[in-house]
Amino acid sequence: EVQLVESGGGLVQPGGSLRLSCAASGFTVSSNYMSWVRQAPGKGLEWVSVIYSGGSTYYADSVKGRFTISRDNSKNTLYLQMNSLRAEDTAVYYCARGVVGATWTFDYWGQGTLVTVSS
Amino acid sequence: DIQMTQSPSSLSASVGDRVTITCQASQDISNYLNWYQQKPGKAPKLLIYDASNLETGVPSRFSGSGSGTDFTFTISSLQPEDIATYYCQQYNTFGGGTKVEIK
Repeated sequence: EVQLVESGGGLVQPGGSLRLSCAASGFTVSSNYMSWVRQAPGKGLEWVSVIYSGGSTYYADSVKGRFTISRDNSKNTLYLQMNSLRAEDTAVYYCARGVVGATWTFDYWGQGTLVTVSS
Repeated sequence: DIQMTQSPSSLSASVGDRVTITCQASQDISNYLNWYQQKPGKAPKLLIYDASNLETGVPSRFSGSGSGTDFTFTISSLQPEDIATYYCQQYNTFGGGTKVEIK
């Protein structure tokens, strides 16, 4: 059974850093493209970043230069390193699995982890 | 970036009603359009991919159609468990969402 479990969220001050983890089971993260998607309180979904099976990475303009997506194949875990955090980064962060052979289609999502950026 | 305009932003319908949501792309996206359902406090769930393909295990009352710039998502007979917010998505862009409530 495919499962994604996020962790690492919490309260952080503006300018601070946080690393989110997404532990996968039931499949291999390096075989699929994987994304982070966030949702600010009461708002819609916003794509954040993607890592392809070949290792290519892409970011939303709003986080480019501050966030880094990566994976550890030995731990079958996806990460999102978030630096220089701002109040507007406050959101629930979801990791999502891309469907191999489909274009930007996400069939499994984690339960989400809340990041709050506040002093 | 391609813009996705989803409408309406909310709707209220009775159980058994047919519900339709539209999503318009700012340029031709072929059939690269997905629909997700999100219930309060839960993660999004894929319902429809590539505009009209029903994800495995999703009830057949959900359907999608369209290509190019104009897309439609339909619930043929609204059920109480369908109360949720629905999003269209194309590549890295999500529509603004449609909150569906029971009248």
